Amino acid sequence: GAGVSQSPSNKVTEKGKDVELRCDPISGHTALYWYRQRLGQGLEFLIYFQGNSAPDKSGLPSDRFSAERTGESVSTLTIQRTQQEDSAVYLCASSLASPGTAGELFFGEGSRLTVL
Amino acid sequence: EDKVVQSPLSLVVHEGDTVTLNCSYEVTNFRSLLWYKQEKKAPTFLFMLTSSGIEKKSGRLSSILDKKELFSILNITATQTGDSAIYLCAVANQAGTALIFGKGTTLSVSS
Repeated sequence: GAGVSQSPSNKVTEKGKDVELRCDPISGHTALYWYRQRLGQGLEFLIYFQGNSAPDKSGLPSDRFSAERTGESVSTLTIQRTQQEDSAVYLCASSLASPGTAGELFFGEGSRLTVL
Repeated sequence: EDKVVQSPLSLVVHEGDTVTLNCSYEVTNFRSLLWYKQEKKAPTFLFMLTSSGIEKKSGRLSSILDKKELFSILNITATQTGDSAIYLCAVANQAGTALIFGKGTTLSVSS
């Protein structure tokens, strides 16, 4: 597509439920990133995918968080047993950056998650 | 630990003023520093800086990097209400993969 597409744009869930957030990157972009942005805060790195290489999961805050990406296509971020502290906007970005180079990232509109 | 610190955290100015936003960083094996503007949801790219002392310019916005002192500044001249946004600074981490973001500077321009 023309830009990075994320869904759902808004998700309200109850504490303890699992949620899945989806990201469809720009066609041809090999790199895909997930970030979390809490209210009034900067972007917190979660995970990075580059082609078929092993993902960089160093930013995932707990084992309740996981993400998958098949090849250079759609990615899903899954949060299990959601907690109120998980409430945030989850931003996905993609780029043409080759391994070892951080180039311009193109961001989606984000998925706003609210855990009651 | 890699980190990015932006200052000030917030700033209120009048239309026509000139502002300077600061970004200092500590990162192993520096790759590049990027500035983004976030108005509502998705941050949009402004500049990428890789070399010291070379100013990047786009209209009323300009930015420069000092790799010796480990900081960058973003200047906005003749500010307009449309410049009101959160300005985010980010640097590449050790692996040169993901970007580490600062908390941002919230700029409010009043008419």
